[in-house]
Amino acid sequence: AQTVTQSQPEMSVQEAETVTLSCTYDTSESDYYLFWYKQPPSRQMILVIRQEAYKQQNATENRFSVNFQKAAKSFSLKISDSQLGDAAMYFCAYRSAHNDMRFGAGTRLTVKP
Amino acid sequence: KAGVTQTPRYLIKTRGQQVTLSCSPISGHRSVSWYQQTPGQGLQFLFEYFSETQRNKGNFPGRFSGRQFSNSRSEMNVSTLELGDSALYLCASSLEGRPTDTQYFGPGTRLTVL
Repeated sequence: AQTVTQSQPEMSVQEAETVTLSCTYDTSESDYYLFWYKQPPSRQMILVIRQEAYKQQNATENRFSVNFQKAAKSFSLKISDSQLGDAAMYFCAYRSAHNDMRFGAGTRLTVKP
Repeated sequence: KAGVTQTPRYLIKTRGQQVTLSCSPISGHRSVSWYQQTPGQGLQFLFEYFSETQRNKGNFPGRFSGRQFSNSRSEMNVSTLELGDSALYLCASSLEGRPTDTQYFGPGTRLTVL
């Protein structure tokens, strides 16, 4: 079964600094998609970034980038120049063509001014 | 475009009752997925509907059911409520539910079972 593991329940970062959130997953499939979702205190989940497993190039979206290591089944999220508005729960998620979305337990990110 | 809306936002029920939650997807989206979010179990997939048909189902008892209407609006129903059903129920819509389609989440319905 596909599982997603986020080993950091909580992380904190100073405003304007960089932070990396970790995610590992377990799968036997070769074609799948990985996501990072953000859930601010208002509770509405927002997609931050996505990565297709067949793409070797790491995805980037402005201050957000990923380090995708397919062989290691690792998918970390780097947030550069952290802002107060980045404070939220971050969920790593996995989905293949044959399965529903599987989420990690989440990492609560605090941004200190 | 209006985002995904869920009603009601908050609900309090007692054990044994049943409840119906509603989700209106983004206009043009035909796939609606439901998730249960609890502190202990995290985010768990309930089911997905596409074109009024349940296309995928998670590992939940039969007390959890859903349906989708011709306008893509979806409802989920939980019968014989248990204390453990207290959770935030999220729905998400996407164009066609393909892995390449971005899922847009609603604000959720907070269900409390007393």
